[in-house]
Amino acid sequence: ETGVTQSPTHLIKTRGQQVTLRCSSQSGHNTVSWYQQALGQGPQFIFQYYREEENGRGNFPPRFSGLQFPNYSSELNVNALELDDSALYLCASSRTGSYNEQFFGPGTRLTVL
Amino acid sequence: KQEVTQIPAALSVPEGENLVLNCSFTDSAIYNLQWFRQDPGKGLTSLLLIQSSQREQTSGRLNASLDKSSGRSTLYIAASQPGDSATYLCAVSHRGSTLGRLYFGRGTQLTVWP
Repeated sequence: ETGVTQSPTHLIKTRGQQVTLRCSSQSGHNTVSWYQQALGQGPQFIFQYYREEENGRGNFPPRFSGLQFPNYSSELNVNALELDDSALYLCASSRTGSYNEQFFGPGTRLTVL
Repeated sequence: KQEVTQIPAALSVPEGENLVLNCSFTDSAIYNLQWFRQDPGKGLTSLLLIQSSQREQTSGRLNASLDKSSGRSTLYIAASQPGDSATYLCAVSHRGSTLGRLYFGRGTQLTVWP
């Protein structure tokens, strides 16, 4: 069984640029959620995708957007990057009916200069 | 709004000690609670999931308890080892349309020295 994978591992961007992060869900999982974890903080929920539709959103502006594909892989897009967007971005997948247990990927470290 | 608090923020102990990490949450109407381990700069590894109807779960040297009515969970680590050094995060989810959205605490940073 393949776990959750994310790419790239690290990324450096400058303020105002756009970035796309990618996630492949664990086999058999149909729901993907994205979280942002600033240094020294707990992860904060960005949004969730289920059956290719956004299924809930945290307190993040519209410049954070996403996609889920038919194979349940997902992308997180961030436009007009700000310095405060520097964080570890985590993807989690789950399967409906499994008590919603979340399985996380290794994360993408984004640095905005 | 759900708020999750973890105490202590950091803990440093010698190898072999038994440990208790605490987690509290403000809204007791949870669906489940998960404990995670996070190594520096890495993703989260799920350790234990406790359903709202359960009182505890065990895995090896780890035991997690849940008292939903008082909004508390504890993670007990027996006979700690240097390899247990990591940040331990507690997270809760609720029933509802957003499946399994997790609300996290800030974590307890554990150091176990030989």
